[in-house]
Amino acid sequence: SAVISQKPSRDICQRGTSLTIQCQVDSQVTMMFWYRQQPGQSLTLIATANQGSEATYESGFVIDKFPISRPNLTFSTLTVSNMSPEDSSIYLCSLKRGDEQYFGPGTRLTVT
Amino acid sequence: GQQLNQSPQSMFIQEGEDVSMNCTSSSIFNTWLWYKQDPGEGPVLLIALYKAGELTSNGRLTAQFGITRKDSFLNISASIPSDVGIYFCAGQRRGGSNYKLTFGKGTLLTVNP
Repeated sequence: SAVISQKPSRDICQRGTSLTIQCQVDSQVTMMFWYRQQPGQSLTLIATANQGSEATYESGFVIDKFPISRPNLTFSTLTVSNMSPEDSSIYLCSLKRGDEQYFGPGTRLTVT
Repeated sequence: GQQLNQSPQSMFIQEGEDVSMNCTSSSIFNTWLWYKQDPGEGPVLLIALYKAGELTSNGRLTAQFGITRKDSFLNISASIPSDVGIYFCAGQRRGGSNYKLTFGKGTLLTVNP
């Protein structure tokens, strides 16, 4: 298993502002991931964050909107920029350990 | 992106009943993972399957990796109220950059005490 923490756990933000979500894991991992889960939906991969390299974004997600940092092997941040109500979702970080992936508790974002 | 076909979409059962849900895909996966998500929480890994035909148990949960590698099922026996939640299957291919998970849409389970 894995211990993954995220901050904040939830937030309500104004349209046009930005929010940075932090993810801390309990041991060093090469691969970390950021997912979005829109209300009532499944999980969609935003990007893969490897330490020491640029994040790799999935189709439909761009760096200007979702900049990611990965300063070391136990920490990553995701910023949701210039938010709109459509960005209201749960944002989850995840790590890969062997063939298994584990998820953090999520950050529930509401944009008004 | 691609999604797995997960069914049923939702289930309403009585406490003590057994539950079965499954996922199918048009393409092959090397690993199948089953997760449970409680309201307000992240998905928790329940069972991981690595070989075609593999049958694995975790308490009252049993999951199987289909022989064709295109499907998997999860059974829950003697359900209890705390089994309530959304269950997701996820498939993963192996090798190179094929580490990404493809998720099903989830099965919402409600257990009536």
